Amino acid sequence: NAGVTQTPKFQVLKTGQSMTLQCAQDMNHEYMSWYRQDPGMGLRLIHYSVGAGITDQGEVPNGYNVSRSTTEDFPLRLLSAAPSQTSVYFCASRGGGEAGNTIYFGEGSWLTVV
Amino acid sequence: DQQVKQNSPSLSVQEGRISILNCDYTNSMFDYFLWYKKYPAEGPTFLISISSIKDKNEDGRFTVFLNKSAKHLSLHIVPSQPGDSAVYFCAASASTDKLIFGTGTRLQVFP
Repeated sequence: NAGVTQTPKFQVLKTGQSMTLQCAQDMNHEYMSWYRQDPGMGLRLIHYSVGAGITDQGEVPNGYNVSRSTTEDFPLRLLSAAPSQTSVYFCASRGGGEAGNTIYFGEGSWLTVV
Repeated sequence: DQQVKQNSPSLSVQEGRISILNCDYTNSMFDYFLWYKKYPAEGPTFLISISSIKDKNEDGRFTVFLNKSAKHLSLHIVPSQPGDSAVYFCAASASTDKLIFGTGTRLQVFP
């Protein structure tokens, strides 16, 4: 079972470049989200989506865009990369049932902006 | 404003003893709480959860306690094992789809 798949796993960007982190899930989950993990900051919610065509901002949305054209895919776009966006990014999805107890995370994408 | 706080960045416990990880929250609307475990270079994995209508939930060696009046929850691991060494995140939800995570506590279990 693929679960939640993130690509790329590692990426180095120059300041000002743009890129897209891909996220796909094969569990037909309605809810998908992106988090970033930074030392001492835990996991912070960037953007989330409760279904195709619906997205909303999380705690730290600035500098990122998302779209949800299909149930399976939830790409995260960095419009103009900045060193402050150096982080580990996790995509997650959740199915039905009680909030959160079936949330699945991808393996993470390590992004360095120089 | 950090709505979910884990004030201890690290904890070191001897194998076989109890590990107690703490978490405090500020939003009284939170009604569902979870603990996740994370190994290096892997995504977080769900460990145990508790609804606000309960004050305790147990699953094997793991027990979560919730004190709503103090806005505090804790995770007890008994007995601790070396394989429990990881970063533990608590998370909370307010009947929405958003999960808010704490900053994490790194647990090290030594022989």
